[in-house]
Amino acid sequence: NAGVTQTPKFRILKIGQSMTLQCTQDMNHNYMYWYRQDPGMGLKLIYYSVGAGITDKGEVPNGYNVSRSTTEDFPLRLELAAPSQTSVYFCASSYSRGGLYNEQFFGPGTRLTVL
Amino acid sequence: DQQVKQNSPSLSVQEGRISILNCDYTNSMFDYFLWYKKYPAEGPTFLISISSIKDKNEDGRFTVFLNKSAKHLSLHIVPSQPGDSAVYFCAASGRGNQGGKLIFGQGTELSVKP
Repeated sequence: NAGVTQTPKFRILKIGQSMTLQCTQDMNHNYMYWYRQDPGMGLKLIYYSVGAGITDKGEVPNGYNVSRSTTEDFPLRLELAAPSQTSVYFCASSYSRGGLYNEQFFGPGTRLTVL
Repeated sequence: DQQVKQNSPSLSVQEGRISILNCDYTNSMFDYFLWYKKYPAEGPTFLISISSIKDKNEDGRFTVFLNKSAKHLSLHIVPSQPGDSAVYFCAASGRGNQGGKLIFGQGTELSVKP
């Protein structure tokens, strides 16, 4: 199993550009998440999905969009990149929603810089 | 409003000694707590967890203690090894609709010196 994979690993964007961060998991997990981590801070939830076709906002959703057309894929879209979106983005998946099996498996991250 | 706090940004420990990482939370609705370990340029990896119905959980060298009345949890690593050097995040999740949404602390960078 590859687990959770993310592409690209690094990206530099200009202000106003758009891009999609890709995330794929091969563990057949229903639950998938996008986090961002700013320097010296913990991870903050951007969006999450409880299954194909179902997504919901997390703590910091502004400036982002998501879709979930398959169990495996959960792309994150930035439409108009801003310097405040410079961060490291992590995708994660889990077997269940909470409790004993809430362990989330993380991808290696995408480091995004907006100039 | 920081619901999960790790007040020590860094901790340095000698190899073979105990490492104690602390975490405080404010939301009494949290019912499940997790510790993650993160190496540079990698994603966090799950380490150990504890349910709010317990006060202790052990897994090898790692033990997590939960004090619900103080809204405090700690991770003990005994004995500490150089390979344990990493950033440690505590995280919490709630019940029902809040389940699955992890709230993370800021992280504590542990350095274990040989």
